[in-house]
Formats: sequence, C-alpha cells, structure tokens
Amino acid sequence: NAGVTQTPKFQVLKTGQSMTLQCAQDMNHEYMSWYRQDPGMGLRLIHYSVGAGITDQGEVPNGYNVSRSTTEDFPLRLLSAAPSQTSVYFCASRRTGATRYGYTFGSGTRLTVV
Amino acid sequence: SQQGEEDPQALSIQEGENATMNCSYKTSINNLQWYRQNSGRGLVHLILIRSNEREKHSGRLRVTLDTSKKSSSLLITASRAADTASYFCATAILTGGGNKLTFGTGTQLKVEL
Repeated sequence: NAGVTQTPKFQVLKTGQSMTLQCAQDMNHEYMSWYRQDPGMGLRLIHYSVGAGITDQGEVPNGYNVSRSTTEDFPLRLLSAAPSQTSVYFCASRRTGATRYGYTFGSGTRLTVV
Repeated sequence: SQQGEEDPQALSIQEGENATMNCSYKTSINNLQWYRQNSGRGLVHLILIRSNEREKHSGRLRVTLDTSKKSSSLLITASRAADTASYFCATAILTGGGNKLTFGTGTQLKVEL
C-alpha cells in the first residue's frame, strides 16, 4: 500500500498565482483532511471531508478550496496565493470508526509564496 | 486556537533514559492521540487512548489520560537515538461531521548517544 500520497513535495509560487495540491489515498478511508504546519503553531486544520461529495471547513479555511469527487482524492486549491500561505501542508486520512483509529499522514508539500 | 499544549517544548536526554512528555487540553474529548514527526517528514500515529481509558501501552510507549485534569502523558522507556523527533498530542472531539483532530505545538525530543 502506498498510503497517502501528496504531490508536489516542493513548490514556489508568486503572489496571486493559483495552484492545486494533490492528495490521494489507497486505503479506502472515508475521512480525509488538510492541515498546515507553521513553526511554533503545530498543525491547524484547513478543510476536511467525511466522504465523497461532503466537505467542511476547519480552523483556517480562508484562501483555500476543496472538493471530494472520489473516495481516493482530496485536492486542495489555493485560489490566489499570498505570502501568509507559505507553510508545509499535510494531507491525512483515517478509517471510519472515530473512536478507534488514528490518522495516516502524507509526507507533506512545502510551499513558498514569494 | 490550540486545544493541546505539550510540556516541555524541548527535551534532551541520554540514550537508555526514559522520556516523559505531557499534554494538557481545554475541552472534553472523545480520544487523545500521540504522533511522532521526524525532521522534514509527515506525522506517524503512535497510540490512541479513548476518553474512558486511563492507561495504554504499546511497546516502549506508555500513555496515561486523566480526564478530570484534562491531561495526558507519553512515556518512552529506554530511549534510543532513533527516537529523536517531535512528538505531538492531538485531541479528537466528536462533531456532526465526524471527529476533528486538534494538535498541540509539540515537544522536540533529542536523544543523545
């Protein structure tokens, strides 16, 4: 099993550009989420999905869009990149059964907005 | 806002010693989880303890949970250099859309030879 795959691993954007961070999992997990990690702030939830066609906002959703057309894929779109979005982005998934299972994380996308 | 706060922020020990990290949180939880992150890598799930459990073991890891004090501790026994990493606690709160996982700011553990 590949687990959770994120692409690209590194990206540099200019302010105002848009891009999509890809996330795919092959474990048939229904729950998927996006986090950003900034120094000294831990991980903060951006958006999450409890299944195909269902998404919801997390703690810091502004400037990001998501969609979930399949169980496997959960892309994160930056609409108009800003320097404040410079961060490391992690996608995570888990099985159903909220009280039992931990999350599987991807290896991250390091994004720099200049 | 952060739900969990780890203490200490940084910890340096010698190989073979035990490492203890603490986590405090603010609201009622469904479960609490601990993750490890090696430098430049993603997070790896270590252990999950439910709100009705008090202690859990997994290999060299021992986790305790005190819901009355809203705190948890992670003990790594007989530490190894390979245990050098950041450790995060994460609290799961049930919502209408499943459960949301909220992370603390982490403890950086360094195990020296």
